[in-house]
Order: sequence, then C-alpha cells, then structure tokens
Amino acid sequence: DTGVSQDPRHKITKRGQNVTFRCDPISEHNRLYWYRQTLGQGPEFLTYFQNEAQLEKSRLLSDRFSAERPKGSFSTLEIQRTEQGDSAMYLCASSLQGMGEKLFFGSGTQLSVL
Amino acid sequence: DAKTTQPPSMDCAEGRAANLPCNHSTISGNEYVYWYRQIHSQGPQYIIHGLKNNETNEMASLIITEDRKSSTLILPHATLRDTAVYYCIVRAGTSGSRLTFGEGTQLTVNP
Repeated sequence: DTGVSQDPRHKITKRGQNVTFRCDPISEHNRLYWYRQTLGQGPEFLTYFQNEAQLEKSRLLSDRFSAERPKGSFSTLEIQRTEQGDSAMYLCASSLQGMGEKLFFGSGTQLSVL
Repeated sequence: DAKTTQPPSMDCAEGRAANLPCNHSTISGNEYVYWYRQIHSQGPQYIIHGLKNNETNEMASLIITEDRKSSTLILPHATLRDTAVYYCIVRAGTSGSRLTFGEGTQLTVNP
C-alpha cells in the first residue's frame, strides 16, 4: 500500500491559465474522489468516480472544472481559465467499494492563482 | 446527511485522554458516525466509525449515546502528534459517494 499520490504538490499560475492535477489512487481502490479545501474550512466535495464512471458532481463545480479517470486508474482534474477564487488545496481520495466511507486521502495539490 | 455540531477548539495535556464531542441530533437509523482528522498540511485521515455500538481500534474509541444523537471520540493518551482538526461526519452507510465535512474541532495537545 503506497498510499494516494498527488502531483504536483504545489502549483502557482496566473489568472486565465489552465492547470491540470493528477491523482494516483491506491491500486485496488475502485472509487476516487476530488475535494477542495480553503483555509480554515473543511474539505468540500467536488466529484466522485466509481471505476471510470463519474457518478456524482457537485453543483458548486463550475463548467471550468473537468475531471477524468480513464480506464478506472489515475485521475486528472483540469481547471480552465483559472480565477483567483480557485486558489485552494485540491485533495484526492480513494476507497474500496464495500468498505463504507473509509477514504484514504492524498496530501493534496496547493494551487495559488496570481 | 445529518448535520453535526462540534466545538471549534479544545485543549488537552499530553498523556491525558482527549474527549471530543459531536452532536448529531437529526441522525437517521441507517446513518453511521465517522471521525477523520487532518494534521496541518496533510490530507484527512480516517480514524474510526460506528453505527450504534461503541467501537475501539488502535487509534481511538468511539462512544455513541443510546439515542444516537451524540457521540464522543476518545484519544486515550494524547500525544503532541495528535494535534489536528478532528471532523465528525454522519453518513448513510450504503450511499457510496460524498462525505460532507464541517469545520471540525481544532485539538491542541500541550506539553
């Protein structure tokens, strides 16, 4: 068990640029989640995959955000035309169906939009 | 999902038990109580969960009241490394999707 891996750990970008983050879940886990966290707040759900299917997406997620999980393995989260309000920690988690809500989180990608 | 209420902060002396309360008065019969913690600059970490019976593992104990409207997470011998934000989450066990995090309790363990 090598844990959930996220890349990069930090990303600084200028407003209007596109950014992409990668998440590698624990290998046997079929569920993958993306969360966003701002300072002083708890993590906020963005989207959820079971295998390669995106089963749920937060209504708070704007059209500038897109996530994929090809072949049900790693996942990418892309933010197009970044805004300063997108600055946050982006967390990925994975779990195994049948283990309830025991999620394993990565260390996150800290995004700063200048 | 049922809403939870936690104190924003608590202090505990190193080596003593830390008792973190959580109110979830609107919990439904099929909803579990989950606890996660988040150490600074890391992702949340699962601690324990339960439905109605008390639970214990290597990290903590979870005490759920008989009416299930509140629970307490107990760290029996707190260490400085237990300083973290602790989240109490109530979630239906069969849903398979999102966990809704509140603002949690900032536990500070003092030497």
